[in-house]
Amino acid sequence: GQSLEQPSEVTAVEGAIVQINCTYQTSGFYGLSWYQQHDGGAPTFLSYNALDGLEETGRFSSFLSRSDSYGYLLLQELQMKDSASYFCAVIAPEGAAGNYGQNFVFGPGTRLSVLP
Amino acid sequence: KAGVTQTPRYLIKTRGQQVTLSCSPISGHRSVSWYQQTPGQGLQFLFEYFSETQRNKGNFPGRFSGRQFSNSRSEMNVSTLELGDSALYLCASSLSAGGEYYSYNEQFFGPGTRLTVL
Repeated sequence: GQSLEQPSEVTAVEGAIVQINCTYQTSGFYGLSWYQQHDGGAPTFLSYNALDGLEETGRFSSFLSRSDSYGYLLLQELQMKDSASYFCAVIAPEGAAGNYGQNFVFGPGTRLSVLP
Repeated sequence: KAGVTQTPRYLIKTRGQQVTLSCSPISGHRSVSWYQQTPGQGLQFLFEYFSETQRNKGNFPGRFSGRQFSNSRSEMNVSTLELGDSALYLCASSLSAGGEYYSYNEQFFGPGTRLTVL
């Protein structure tokens, strides 16, 4: 089976730095991705980590530790437009036919509120 | 390049009816995945299709089915609708070829179909 845990809510002020953690328990693992979803919108891709370490993309960075089954999304210089839900997702090899294909399991999501 | 499109955007059905949702992936994308999103359960994976074959299936009852056509367009069908099927149904496409050594390709989500079952 697979399960992911994230904090349900995080609040921060503009200009601050916030870290959203994700822990996972999966029977297989290819990598961890992060998605952002604004209210009423579709999820949009932010980052993907297959190997341990930090991946930086502008104001957003994502970290993975495979040995700890743990990752986080770091948002710097927060802006009001960053207020949204953030989902971590494990990409796992479970499939309908052996090790072929991919399977996505999303975490419950973290609602980030950025205050002025 | 046009994004992922889903039709219809909104749908109201009654219990016991069936519904078919459609998804057109980004041109060139061969993988299409379907998700159900509800406030209580979050984003749950339904199934993934690649080259007209279902490669993966989530933990949903057999009332939920899908198919993919040769042009990569996909449809999802829910039969004998229940109140609990009310949700936002999202489709996502990617270039992914799958397999243990694949390179991850991000998923591009469509706007979703909001299904209400009365």
